[in-house]
Amino acid sequence: GAGVSQSPRYKVAKRGQDVALRCDPISGHVSLFWYQQALGQGPEFLTYFQNEAQLDKSGLPSDRFFAERPEGSVSTLKIQRTQQEDSAVYLCASSYQRAPGETQYFGPGTRLLVL
Amino acid sequence: DQQVKQNSPSLSVQEGRISILNCDYTNSMFDYFLWYKKYPAEGPTFLISISSIKDKNEDGRFTVFLNKSAKHLSLHIVPSQPGDSAVYFCAASSNIYNTNAGKSTFGDGTTLTVKP
Repeated sequence: GAGVSQSPRYKVAKRGQDVALRCDPISGHVSLFWYQQALGQGPEFLTYFQNEAQLDKSGLPSDRFFAERPEGSVSTLKIQRTQQEDSAVYLCASSYQRAPGETQYFGPGTRLLVL
Repeated sequence: DQQVKQNSPSLSVQEGRISILNCDYTNSMFDYFLWYKKYPAEGPTFLISISSIKDKNEDGRFTVFLNKSAKHLSLHIVPSQPGDSAVYFCAASSNIYNTNAGKSTFGDGTTLTVKP
């Protein structure tokens, strides 16, 4: 079946602009994660959903970052008033259930460049 | 402070030889460890994992070893193939009953180049 998809794949934003990044997880996957990956670094956790419930948002760097998953499937990560330090690849991952070491399936990411 | 560290940014090996990628962690709450492989312009792909109750897990050419006392794990690829050339990320997660369960903490990756 189809994997995790993300859109747009690339986004260039002017500083101060709001952006919305979309994630379509694998159908039936309960868990959904957002990660931020800066150049030359590993992915860093942002937030986690179990169905529509946002259970952990401890990784969101500021209140300019907001994520939602209203119907328990598609998720949107919104960044308000973007700053240059927000430039990164934003990865979405989903997994079937919340279990120790459960494999997370990653999307290709959205590369955000803030000028 | 970084809880998962991959101290070698890059590794180059000859085709057919063994590749050994290393990873160290500091958080004793981690009890599940995973290796992901990443090609350019793609998301990470799960490769192999190990639970803290084991010290070795093998899947074909890939073996992961865990040394809990040293808080160290390694990924062995043998024999290495040119198609294995990619960035390898080590990741760690904690028990499901922990409030932070589910999320993974990643190292910064090691770029493996396998030369024909």
